[in-house]
Amino acid sequence: DTGVSQNPRHKITKRGQNVTFRCDPISEHNRLYWYRQTLGQGPEFLTYFQNEAQLEKSRLLSDRFSAERPKGSFSTLEIQRTEQGDSAMYLCASSRNGQRNTGELFFGEGSRLTVL
Amino acid sequence: KNQVEQSPQSLIILEGKNCTLQCNYTVSPFSNLRWYKQDTGRGPVSLTIMTFSENTKSNGRYTATLDADTKQSSLHITASQLSDSASYICVVSGSCAGNNRKLIWGLGTSLAVNP
Repeated sequence: DTGVSQNPRHKITKRGQNVTFRCDPISEHNRLYWYRQTLGQGPEFLTYFQNEAQLEKSRLLSDRFSAERPKGSFSTLEIQRTEQGDSAMYLCASSRNGQRNTGELFFGEGSRLTVL
Repeated sequence: KNQVEQSPQSLIILEGKNCTLQCNYTVSPFSNLRWYKQDTGRGPVSLTIMTFSENTKSNGRYTATLDADTKQSSLHITASQLSDSASYICVVSGSCAGNNRKLIWGLGTSLAVNP
């Protein structure tokens, strides 16, 4: 399967613990995005990378959140000192950048976080 | 204010029937409009993506239309199948092409196809 891969698919943790999610994008895609989605809402943009450079972070991304894409391939999203409000589906998506490209997004299956 | 509104909020149809979902938007500037299908608990899957110059685009049994003058789009599903049961989300890109930071998401239409 050459789609976007995310793991773990589900994570249950206690408040105050740290969690890390991994995303492997489609190999030829140079842009990678993280979104957060809560029930009944559309995905909210968190941050995106072009190759290894993190080009933008949403105000939603508090200091407890950090994302990396060290070699321009896979990315990790870490949440420190989790709070119950962090419970959500964390979606990763990738796209190919280019002048004639519409930037179509390909999403992974998501990592569902439950903070108890 | 940039908004994407979808109707109906939910819809129940019988297997084999056709249906049409609506999307109205007030996003400016406009780059493209996308329809996604999202199964419960899974990531969205792209169905169609249209720029302002495209009026219609098909993907199998899915046909999307776009009227950039009235800022309306529709998604028509032909000969529905049980596997079409999902949320269908209209998304408008409000920035330059290829930039996915400024996506305005609708709340989706929840479609249930019953046997």
